[in-house]
Amino acid sequence: NAGVTQTPKFQVLKTGQSMTLQCAQDMNHEYMSWYRQDPGMGLRLIHYSVGAGITDQGEVPNGYNVSRSTTEDFPLRLLSAAPSQTSVYFCASNPLAGGSPGSYEQYFGPGTRLTVT
Amino acid sequence: SQQGEEDPQALSIQEGENATMNCSYKTSINNLQWYRQNSGRGLVHLILIRSNEREKHSGRLRVTLDTSKKSSSLLITASRAADTASYFCATDGATSGSRLTFGEGTQLTVNP
Repeated sequence: NAGVTQTPKFQVLKTGQSMTLQCAQDMNHEYMSWYRQDPGMGLRLIHYSVGAGITDQGEVPNGYNVSRSTTEDFPLRLLSAAPSQTSVYFCASNPLAGGSPGSYEQYFGPGTRLTVT
Repeated sequence: SQQGEEDPQALSIQEGENATMNCSYKTSINNLQWYRQNSGRGLVHLILIRSNEREKHSGRLRVTLDTSKKSSSLLITASRAADTASYFCATDGATSGSRLTFGEGTQLTVNP
């Protein structure tokens, strides 16, 4: 299994541009989530999904959209990039075979380092 | 707001010493997890402790949970230079639905 993959690894955007960060997992996990990590800080939850067709907002959803059309993929869209969105973005998944997401180990991708100028 | 808060923010020790990190949280939880992050990498799961458990061990790791104090501690015994990393706790609150929230982490440096 490749686990959780993220593309691209690095991206530079200009203010106002839009882009999609890709996340895919091959473990048939129901739960997927996106976090951002700013320097010296922990992870803040952007959006999450408990299964195909179901998404919900996390702590910092503004400026980001998600969709979950398949179990495998959970792309994160930046609608109009701003310098405040400069960060490292992590995608994670877990089985969520009943119970709460914290009942299971989270599998993280390697991250996408985004700079908005 | 962040559910978990780690303490201390930074810890520097010598190889062979034990390292203790603490995590406090604000509301009742179902589960608490600890993760490690090496510089520039993704997070790696270390250990999960459920709200009805008080202590768990995994190799050189020992995690305790005190729900009355809303706190957890991670002990790494006989530390090695390779343990140098950031350590995060994550909780899913009893009232936070399907969210798993992370603290700001403890940066551990183990000097050879």
